[in-house]
Formats: sequence, C-alpha cells, structure tokens
Amino acid sequence: GAGVSQSPRYKVTKRGQDVALRCDPISGHVSLYWYRQALGQGPEFLTYFNYEAQQDKSGLPNDRFSAERPEGSISTLTIQRTEQRDSAMYRCASSLVRGLKETQYFGPGTRLLVL
Amino acid sequence: ILNVEQSPQSLHVQEGDSTNFTCSFPSSNFYALHWYRWETAKSPEALFVMTLNGDEKKKGRISATLNTKEGYSYLYIKGSQPEDSATYLCAFMNYGGATNKLIFGTGTLLAVQP
Repeated sequence: GAGVSQSPRYKVTKRGQDVALRCDPISGHVSLYWYRQALGQGPEFLTYFNYEAQQDKSGLPNDRFSAERPEGSISTLTIQRTEQRDSAMYRCASSLVRGLKETQYFGPGTRLLVL
Repeated sequence: ILNVEQSPQSLHVQEGDSTNFTCSFPSSNFYALHWYRWETAKSPEALFVMTLNGDEKKKGRISATLNTKEGYSYLYIKGSQPEDSATYLCAFMNYGGATNKLIFGTGTLLAVQP
C-alpha cells in the first residue's frame, strides 16, 4: 500500500503481559515517529528515528517502553509488563525528509487495551 | 512546557455555514505549524504546513492563516458540508534539537448538520 500501515489494529492484553506494536512506514521515508493518543486528546510524541538511529526518546514515559528500527524501515514499539494506564491509541508517522516543511503521514494506529 | 491550545473544543454548524477555529501556540522558537484533519477510525490527514508569518494556505473550501508573532493560526471552512465533519488538529513544531516532533492541540470537533 501507499500509506503507513500498523499492526495489529487492535490489541487486548492482560496486565503484566508484554506487547509489540509494528509500524511499516511509507517506502523511502527517512524519519519515523511514534505517538500515543488518549481519548479526546491530540497525539503525544514518544520517540523519533532517523533511519535506524533513535535520535529522540524523550517522550517514552518510562523504561517499560522501548522502540527499535533495526534496518531503517519497519519499527517496533514494545511495552513490557503492561499496565492499565498504557491503554491508548498508538500511532506511528513517517516523513520523507527532515526539513522545514516536513509533512508527517500518520498510520491508522493500534488501539491497545490493557485489562 | 510547550502548550498548544485549540478553540472551540467542538462546533455544530448547519450545511452551508462558514466557520473558523483557532490554534494558539508559543510564539518563541517557532519552526512550523501543521493542520490535520482527522476522522475517527482513520489516520490524521495532513492539510497544511505553514512556516512563515503571514502565510495563507488554501485547499478547496478550507484555508488557514498564520501569525507567528502573536502565536496563533486560524482555520476557515467556507460553505461547510457534512463531509467536513471531523476533528481538526493543529500541531506546533519548535526550533532546535534533533527532532521535528509535533506538539498537538486537543483538536476542534466539527459537526456539520445536513
């Protein structure tokens, strides 16, 4: 497809389990971002990759959250020992270049529910 | 802490009405202001990226203006149609650092009644 894809679209898990969320950016896009969106709120920045390098992880809430993009394309956001407060929509976005008029293209998101 | 505010929170208009809403952002270290249109269960769709004070952008019936000195942007919709119903998000990008991370407002939910 031409757009950013994410999988799974929905994930229900029990508290304490680990989850891995996948993002497949638009082919050739250099920059990749992860955001988290609570109900009724705008997306909130989590982390950023330039190719395979994680250049900013200042938005990750704690050390249970990690992300990787080993080959500079697909990225995985992992949440260990999930808690109920982790329930949210997790969105990824990609952009072709990092520049002044960079447009970030968003994926459909993964809705995570931790019971 | 960088804060982006949007108003109103929600808006109900009749088909054919013109409407506008506001995005306020920090005026220092301005880099860019993005507008997105977001329908629930879909991906946010990029509308405009605005970078210069006084910028005006237009896409069909939707237009936006930018005032970086006072820290606000207006989005206008002329002759609203039911298909315009969505949440309109603005996002601020500040200058500096290795990241062009977007700081989003909470959005304005627009409902257009036929």
